[in-house]
Amino acid sequence: GESVGLHLPTLSVQEGDNSIINCAYSNSASDYFIWYKQESGKGPQFIIDIRSNMDKRQGQRVTVLLNKTVKHLSLQIAATQPGDSAVYFCAEKNTGFQKLVFGTGTRLLVSP
Amino acid sequence: KAGVTQTPRYLIKTRGQQVTLSCSPISGHRSVSWYQQTPGQGLQFLFEYFSETQRNKGNFPGRFSGRQFSNSRSEMNVSTLELGDSALYLCASGSTGGNTEAFFGQGTRLTVV
Repeated sequence: GESVGLHLPTLSVQEGDNSIINCAYSNSASDYFIWYKQESGKGPQFIIDIRSNMDKRQGQRVTVLLNKTVKHLSLQIAATQPGDSAVYFCAEKNTGFQKLVFGTGTRLLVSP
Repeated sequence: KAGVTQTPRYLIKTRGQQVTLSCSPISGHRSVSWYQQTPGQGLQFLFEYFSETQRNKGNFPGRFSGRQFSNSRSEMNVSTLELGDSALYLCASGSTGGNTEAFFGQGTRLTVV
């Protein structure tokens, strides 16, 4: 199963650059905001999440920023590698439920 | 441990037929949710099950249904297939509703002709 196809915004970067992927979310009442990565032929894979009462969270090479004032979420990937090439989705979730509401997705292309 | 398993991986059906897709969650996970992925609509939530109970349902017609068994395995059924039902159907499992990390299977690619 390939990831979503034809109409995604695309971010093209060089290997080693930092990448920033943005997402506008819709529901101010969501408890969690999550980033997923989907590689061709695979299902989405969890990257990092952030609770609604936080504005920044860091993981390994990734940082998620949450701006609730403008309902904006971003994923920063440091020292981007060719293996980071994929489609990235933001998603919203509420505590107690597994239901995810996904954003449109952004395709990241990393050139060597 | 084994990941989420979806069967079959690929399926071709004719308009008007029905189809059943299967999902086996990660061992110990009791929550299963289903999503439809298409180029036009992206990833859309279908339903969520926890301990055999449907807890949430997305905005899909009644032709789409699902269930969960006592061993947490889940099936979804689409009746009277339409061309627009062609999509990648993804299943995700989680340990509890409060955990944000959902684990996805590779999906079932359904083509309706």
